[in-house]
Amino acid sequence: AQSVAQPEDQVNVAEGNPLTVKCTYSVSGNPYLFWYVQYPNRGLQFLLKYITGDNLVKGSYGFEAEFNKSQTSFHLKKPSALVSDSALYFCAVRDINGNNRLAFGKGNQVVVIP
Amino acid sequence: DAGITQSPRHKVTETGTPVTLRCHQTENHRYMYWYRQDPGHGLRLIHYSYGVKDTDKGEVSDGYSVSRSKTEDFLLTLESATSSQTSVYFCAISAKRTYNSPLHFGNGTRLTVT
Repeated sequence: AQSVAQPEDQVNVAEGNPLTVKCTYSVSGNPYLFWYVQYPNRGLQFLLKYITGDNLVKGSYGFEAEFNKSQTSFHLKKPSALVSDSALYFCAVRDINGNNRLAFGKGNQVVVIP
Repeated sequence: DAGITQSPRHKVTETGTPVTLRCHQTENHRYMYWYRQDPGHGLRLIHYSYGVKDTDKGEVSDGYSVSRSKTEDFLLTLESATSSQTSVYFCAISAKRTYNSPLHFGNGTRLTVT
């Protein structure tokens, strides 16, 4: 079954510095990969997805993610973090050769320090 | 935000009582999902629906049932609530079942079982 690992519970970064949130995945076939963000007391919001094509995917709010097939990773990045980027970030994967279930990681809390 | 309303937003109930959570959407999307969110587990799928009166189990369906009598409403019922069902419950919708279709989430229901 497909799975996602987000190895860090919390990522602290100073405002204006680059932000990276790590995600590795495991699927039996080709992956469809997603990033979602959750603000306090809200549902998850879709940020970006990788399906095929260019390994660098651009999404909402200045975020981008890089797909690396050899390392089975899909790290989320932002060149210059804002205090308003402080939130919980979830990576998710679908196995297109499997059961179409969307498997979520446990989430990473991002704290941007002013 | 997608037109998804979850009710109630908060509920406290006692062990052994039945509880029904409601998800209402105004997007006319075919697919609807119920997830639970717990610290350290990310989001886990409870049940989903692919049309009126068409539902299926997710990965953590024990102790839960669902019903969908209208396109816009998807109900989640805990027949006899237990403390292990204390969680935040999210409804999600998608227009298509295609692998690259992102989910849109409601703002959640925080359920406490005492």
